[in-house]
Amino acid sequence: AQSVTQLGSHVSVSEGALVLLRCNYSSSVPPYLFWYVQYPNQGLQLLLKYTTGATLVKGINGFEAEFKKSETSFHLTKPSAHMSDAAEYFCAVSNILTGGGNKLTFGTGTQLKVEL
Amino acid sequence: DAGITQSPRHKVTETGTPVTLRCHQTENHRYMYWYRQDPGHGLRLIHYSYGVKDTDKGEVSDGYSVSRSKTEDFLLTLESATSSQTSVYFCAITILAGAGEQFFGPGTRLTVL
Repeated sequence: AQSVTQLGSHVSVSEGALVLLRCNYSSSVPPYLFWYVQYPNQGLQLLLKYTTGATLVKGINGFEAEFKKSETSFHLTKPSAHMSDAAEYFCAVSNILTGGGNKLTFGTGTQLKVEL
Repeated sequence: DAGITQSPRHKVTETGTPVTLRCHQTENHRYMYWYRQDPGHGLRLIHYSYGVKDTDKGEVSDGYSVSRSKTEDFLLTLESATSSQTSVYFCAITILAGAGEQFFGPGTRLTVL
């Protein structure tokens, strides 16, 4: 089964600084990859997804991620952090289920803190 | 907004008590899922459904059962709640026309004393 690993359970940046959240995947086939964001006491919201084609994927709120097959990575970046970006971020990979459809296998999450 | 609601949103119960959580969707999606979220573990799949009366186990299904008698409702039951089942539970659906991305409900926070 395909899996993902998120490096760093907590990341702290200053407002206006670059945000870099790391995700590496393990997959024997081209993966479908996702980033989700979770604000306190809320559900998960899809930030962006990679399927095929362009390796640089743009998402909501100014985030983007680049699929790098040679490095098996799918890191999430944002050029300039805003206080409202403080949240937990999850990387996920899609796995096909025996009954059809798919399930998502999630990383353990990275809590992003943005400081003044 | 994928039209997913969960009830209750918060519940406190005692060890040994049966508990049922409900997920309701309004858009006739075929696939529905139950996950639990715990610190340090991300989200883990409990059970999923690929149609009415068609369900299967996920990776952490012990102590849980599910039922789906209507397309719009997917119920998660803890037959006899234990403290290890204290968690936040999320329901999700997938829109197969996409890449298999899933859309999540707001969650149910369950505390088992």
